[in-house]
Amino acid sequence: DQQVKQNSPSLSVQEGRISILNCDYTNSMFDYFLWYKKYPAEGPTFLISISSIKDKNEDGRFTVFLNKSAKHLSLHIVPSQPGDSAVYFCAAFNSFNKFYFGSGTKLNVKP
Amino acid sequence: DVKVTQSSRYLVKRTGEKVFLECVQDMDHENMFWYRQDPGLGLRLIYFSYDVKMKEKGDIPEGYSVSREKKERFSLILESASTNQTSMYLCASSLGLVEAFFGQGTRLTVV
Repeated sequence: DQQVKQNSPSLSVQEGRISILNCDYTNSMFDYFLWYKKYPAEGPTFLISISSIKDKNEDGRFTVFLNKSAKHLSLHIVPSQPGDSAVYFCAAFNSFNKFYFGSGTKLNVKP
Repeated sequence: DVKVTQSSRYLVKRTGEKVFLECVQDMDHENMFWYRQDPGLGLRLIYFSYDVKMKEKGDIPEGYSVSREKKERFSLILESASTNQTSMYLCASSLGLVEAFFGQGTRLTVV
């Protein structure tokens, strides 16, 4: 049973608009949440993270929101750029040193 | 910069062959991971290791084994390759509760 879920396999957004990628999790014991970005034929690269004690973390155009009561996090990209087109994975980390990943959302930013 | 290097980008092996996938990291990280990525399933954890000679099963360990004789090297072994092990294999390393750094991936095809 997947502990981290990304229910949208793909998302298409116009350049300059906001992209919102969503992620749900089932285990309230996760300590840390992360977003990774993956281009074809490359390994995932770290994008942004948030500790379970916070509800928002911002880094430039990227903001991650955490709603613990709903067990939900989201990644906002504003403004979206064509270079943001990639697969985005949500991940959760627990104190047993394990990362759990979602199935990914493929973002397409149209020029 | 952290570097995680996987020995091969592409591999083609025959059914029944023993396959070794090698991964080396250069940042003295304690934790190392092997994932496989399949369409619609995201990254699934095969095995991970939090110290030399220590290993823990992930979510899909069947048909795989691992070896960690040195801190910087984590090997994934397919004892008898099967066609359902055709996949993208990703190695990662991390230092405790921080982001994981990934290698570029190995695309394995079993024929």
